[in-house]
Amino acid sequence: SSELTQDPTVSVALGQTVRITCRGDSLRKFYASWYQQKARQAPVLLIYGENKRPSGIPDRFSASRSGDTTSLTITGTLAEDEADYFCSSRDSSGDRRVFGGGTKLTVL
Amino acid sequence: QVQLQQSGPRLVKPSQTLSLTCAISGDSVSSNSVDWNWIRLSPSRGLEWLGRTYFRSKWYYYYSISLKGRLTITPDTSKNQFSLQLNSVTPEDTAVYYCAREVHLWYGNDAFDMWGQGTMVTVSS
Repeated sequence: SSELTQDPTVSVALGQTVRITCRGDSLRKFYASWYQQKARQAPVLLIYGENKRPSGIPDRFSASRSGDTTSLTITGTLAEDEADYFCSSRDSSGDRRVFGGGTKLTVL
Repeated sequence: QVQLQQSGPRLVKPSQTLSLTCAISGDSVSSNSVDWNWIRLSPSRGLEWLGRTYFRSKWYYYYSISLKGRLTITPDTSKNQFSLQLNSVTPEDTAVYYCAREVHLWYGNDAFDMWGQGTMVTVSS
């Protein structure tokens, strides 16, 4: 079982804002990173650290953190944002890594 | 520009060993600022971290506890690559396997910023 918990599915209307959450005790100590995965493609890093986006990631993707929860927010969701989203962080020991179970985002 | 190129067989028989290699270009497996990881994706488990290796004056290795000692990650400095060996495989090990580079802003602030192309490995007789 994953030490990071995500809702399995989330839906959003085109152009609207959606929040995808990731919860786990280790998030009180460590930052999470967020990844987007589309079918038959490698995951892509979206957000890491406080709210840092790699070059090329649109600014409609942002993240926030509170207690044991980190959230990925997509503002003005596009059809191309339909994908699976995973959070990742260190486990409670700090030595290993864990992923959330993933959230499948459907854009209506 | 960093690139990770994976290679290895796509079909493995049950009880045998799954072996994959990740060749690195644009960075060094001996870098003292990044880690080198193996991760897999399956419909039943989503993304699953398998293990990592890194060099900080000496080599370090960490593995997922769930693999129960079946995994070995080996760096090869002469070829600038690292490999995965997963022993005693079962159909449960069928997945897309990825290698990935992990960067660190500071302790506890990490990210997998570069990924290999993925290798679909099927465990079947």
